[in-house]
Amino acid sequence: GAVVSQHPSRVICKSGTSVKIECRSLDFQATTMFWYRQFPKQSLMLMATSNEGSKATYEQGVEKDKFLINHASLTLSTLTVTSAHPEDSSFYICSAREGARGTEAFFGQGTRLTVV
Amino acid sequence: GENVEQHPSTLSVQEGDSAVIKCTYSDSASNYFPWYKQELGKGPQLIIDIRSNVGEKKDQRIAVTLNKTAKHFSLHITETQPEDSAVYFCAAKSQGGKLIFGQGTELSVKP
Repeated sequence: GAVVSQHPSRVICKSGTSVKIECRSLDFQATTMFWYRQFPKQSLMLMATSNEGSKATYEQGVEKDKFLINHASLTLSTLTVTSAHPEDSSFYICSAREGARGTEAFFGQGTRLTVV
Repeated sequence: GENVEQHPSTLSVQEGDSAVIKCTYSDSASNYFPWYKQELGKGPQLIIDIRSNVGEKKDQRIAVTLNKTAKHFSLHITETQPEDSAVYFCAAKSQGGKLIFGQGTELSVKP
């Protein structure tokens, strides 16, 4: 299957700072990328969908000013958690879909964010 | 709204036995149903998928069945091994293109 690389795998930051997470499709062009949040022993919760070159579409209840998403190229999307607080601590996962008609979504390794 | 129910939430089997995980979906327009395996601290890994024009698909020890009329689909793992232990998620692709995930099943295979 296609490879999606997410970086960093773990990050610890101080409360009030911002953290950027990168998601790259290594061997295909990802027209659409998705960002999820996962709490321990729970399912994946979709935060937003981003299409290359356009603004992200956020799910209800997700603050777009807090979770900034940029999808400037067909191989890279970034999620920036701004002014992070301890309640933002979570496992963040991206996935990417190839092309306009792609069906399969391939996931990155996830990023464990801890805000202290 | 669109919903996927997954059962059971936990499943414990002896090595060599079979494991079955079941999901139901609400959106009759869903046409793609992937299954993911997630190991601790890692992202989900696609293990098998099925499209709505097919009733069954098999890949070695893993098979998926789909009943469109009943809006059910199931994952079957035969000859389970300890390395199959993980959390498994089913998903259904909604009309809007988003994947709607089930709640997950924690599978434990005891040696």
